[in-house]
Amino acid sequence: DQQVKQNSPSLSVQEGRISILNCDYTNSMFDYFLWYKKYPAEGPTFLISISSIKDKNEDGRFTVFLNKSAKHLSLHIVPSQPGDSAVYFCAAGTYKYIFGTGTRLKVLA
Amino acid sequence: EPEVTQTPSHQVTQMGQEVILRCVPISNHLYFYWYRQILGQKVEFLVSFYNNEISEKSEIFDDQFSVERPDGSNFTLKIRSTKLEDSAMYFCASMLDRAYEQYFGPGTRLTVT
Repeated sequence: DQQVKQNSPSLSVQEGRISILNCDYTNSMFDYFLWYKKYPAEGPTFLISISSIKDKNEDGRFTVFLNKSAKHLSLHIVPSQPGDSAVYFCAAGTYKYIFGTGTRLKVLA
Repeated sequence: EPEVTQTPSHQVTQMGQEVILRCVPISNHLYFYWYRQILGQKVEFLVSFYNNEISEKSEIFDDQFSVERPDGSNFTLKIRSTKLEDSAMYFCASMLDRAYEQYFGPGTRLTVT
């Protein structure tokens, strides 16, 4: 069951540059999408969300883009900071969310 | 800021024993969830709870698992007879309403020996 996929298990980015994390989904019924950040041995922390009626949502350094026709969303972090180093999960659904496998982001100082 | 809390932070138990993991969701939230994450793997949905009943459960959530909201604040996950493969981080989450973000607790690390 791979309804939500994050095909890049890891990503390294230089401090100050843009980090782009990608997520693909298969179920066109999903109408709400979220990004979470997770540190080891901690619970996921909500970052930003987007509903299916929008194609972009911005919150400070974080922007989420949704392409419904391609069933693809992405998280942009600009500028990237060393403190952003963590595992990022996308999740999709409505009242129940399916999580992707995560992308480990490493921001290099 | 309101947060989801979970106790204990770490539970060690022997195979075949019963464990109860406890959660206090955010007080005005209506939807409650349990997820688990086996080390190195993805966060997996276990069960959702709404209006005092299970609204959905995954294949993982078999007869060994049960959930309860015994009062207005606590939300528990019980595993009746633990197996080695139940060792994981268990996360509780709550959500205000449909199509809102879920807020996660810090997790309980369950180790079954």
